This record gives sequence, C-alpha cells and structure tokens, in this order.
Amino acid sequence: DQQVKQNSPSLSVQEGRISILNCDYTNSMFDYFLWYKKYPAEGPTFLISISSIKDKNEDGRFTVFLNKSAKHLSLHIVPSQPGDSAVYFCAARIGGSNYKLTFGKGTLLTVNP
Amino acid sequence: NAGVTQTPKFQVLKTGQSMTLQCAQDMNHEYMSWYRQDPGMGLRLIHYSVGAGITDQGEVPNGYNVSRSTTEDFPLRLLSAAPSQTSVYFCASRTTRPSRPNSPLHFGNGTRLTVT
Repeated sequence: DQQVKQNSPSLSVQEGRISILNCDYTNSMFDYFLWYKKYPAEGPTFLISISSIKDKNEDGRFTVFLNKSAKHLSLHIVPSQPGDSAVYFCAARIGGSNYKLTFGKGTLLTVNP
Repeated sequence: NAGVTQTPKFQVLKTGQSMTLQCAQDMNHEYMSWYRQDPGMGLRLIHYSVGAGITDQGEVPNGYNVSRSTTEDFPLRLLSAAPSQTSVYFCASRTTRPSRPNSPLHFGNGTRLTVT
C-alpha cells in the first residue's frame, strides 16, 4: 500500500512559468513533509519541508503548501528555470522518535528554455 | 566536509555472488539508512540504524544484512545476489539530536548495482 503518492510521473513547463508538483498521502499519522530534488547520477538533495502545524512554507522560488484535510501537498516553483529540471520526490515522516522517511515515486520536471 | 560517501559507484555481480556496499559519513550523525531506487518505484527503505549496535528492518529488507559497529560506517551486505537486486542503492544519514528535530536526510551519490 503506497502511503505517499505522486501521480504525475512527469511534468514539462516553459522557463519563467510556474511549476506545480503534487503529492498525496494516506497515513494521517504523518506530521512532517519534505521535498527532495534529484539530478541524474547524484543522490537526492533536500529542498524544502513543512510541518503539519503549518499550511505554507516559502524559501526563495520554492513554496510548499499543505492541505491536511485533503491529505495533499504541493510544491510551487516560480519562476521555473532550466536548472530546475530534475526528479522531485515527496517524502513524509511520522513524528516523535521515528526518523524513517516514506517517499513517493517521484516526478520528472523538465523546464524548457 | 565529505558528507555521505558511498563505494563503489558501480558494480556488476553474477547471481549468487556476495558483496558489501560501503557507506561512511563524517557528520557524526546518529541515524543512517539504506534505500534502493527502482524505475517507477521511488525510494524504498531497506534497513536503518539509530546508533552504533542498533539496526532495524525497513520496507524491503529481504536479501540484505547490515551492521553498525561505529557511528561513521553502515555497510550493506548482499549474501547471495539475485537479479531482483539490480538497482541503485543510496545511503543516507541525519542527526537525531533533540535540538534539531526536523533535520533532513543527507544522501550519498549512490551505488549502481547490476546482477546478471
């Protein structure tokens, strides 16, 4: 049973436009959510996170929105740049002393010049 | 600061062979873990450790062994490789200090393993 779902395997946007990557989760015990970015032949790198007590977190061009009632989060990238082309993984964690992250399958974002 | 270092970068094994994937971190992180990445499957947790001498199973532990004799190292052993273990393996670590409750996982650059 997949607890973190990224239903779009790929997304293509034009440079300068907004990229919106979506993630749904089923486990109501998740209380912390992260986005990771992965380039080919490299390991995933942390991008941005959000706690379940918030509904929005911003870091420069990246904003994550959390809708707890819908069990849905999204990552907005504005404006999108060609260097943002990568696979984006959504991940979630149950709180307390549980450090395990559950990842989605990833979305390949392509930003066209 | 090297972060998380994985060796080798690439490996080809024949079915039934054994090998150890190495992982070392120099950040004094208490928590270490192994993930595998397969096409269309995302990242799946194999084993993890919250400190030296403590290990536990993740989502897909079968066919893999781990040990944690030091804080720095967390090797992953394949005792008898199978084609189903062809994958990219990532080691990751993070601190568990209470002062940093939401510290993210730091990943190595992966080991690409092919079992024929």
